[in-house]
Amino acid sequence: AQSVTQPDIHITVSEGASLELRCNYSYGATPYLFWYVQSPGQGLQLLLKYFSGDTLVQGIKGFEAEFKRSQSSFNLRKPSVHWSDAAEYFCAVNTDKLIFGTGTRLQVFP
Amino acid sequence: ETGVTQTPRHLVMGMTNKKSLKCEQHLGHNAMYWYKQSAKKPLELMFVYNFKEQTENNSVPSRFSPECPNSSHLFLHLHTLQPEDSALYLCASSQGTSSVETQYFGPGTRLLVL
Repeated sequence: AQSVTQPDIHITVSEGASLELRCNYSYGATPYLFWYVQSPGQGLQLLLKYFSGDTLVQGIKGFEAEFKRSQSSFNLRKPSVHWSDAAEYFCAVNTDKLIFGTGTRLQVFP
Repeated sequence: ETGVTQTPRHLVMGMTNKKSLKCEQHLGHNAMYWYKQSAKKPLELMFVYNFKEQTENNSVPSRFSPECPNSSHLFLHLHTLQPEDSALYLCASSQGTSSVETQYFGPGTRLLVL
């Protein structure tokens, strides 16, 4: 069965530090992959998506993600985190339905 | 983000009440979705509508009754809920239901069942 794993439940970084959020998926065919962000009390906002082509995709707010088929991973990165990036981040794979991971809560210290 | 709106944003109801959640999308999409988001659990897909027709019911209890009168509006009618139904209910829309479609989410309705 298709699944998405986000191994880190909670990550804390200092403002200005680099960030990498991990995502692993289980799906036999070519996956369509997404990263969403959810700020407190808000819905989910799309950060970026991968369908095909270049395995490094750029998103909004300075985020990028790299698709690695050999590792079944789609990790999200940002070179320098801002305090406003504190939120919950969800990785998702779309097969015939959108399947989400359990999310990673990011805390940013000044 | 005003593409998908949901009302009310917060709702408290007793187990014997009847209430409805409303979702409206202003994106010209044809597909709409209801999700349930509970603490420490992945988002759960509840229902999918495409061109007003229900195409997915993810084994949701009958105390949740969806309605899609047109492609822009989606309702979730609630009746005789249980405390474990307390959650954030998210509505989403997309152009179609294929795997390449991007879903756009509303802000959610925070539901508390007493």
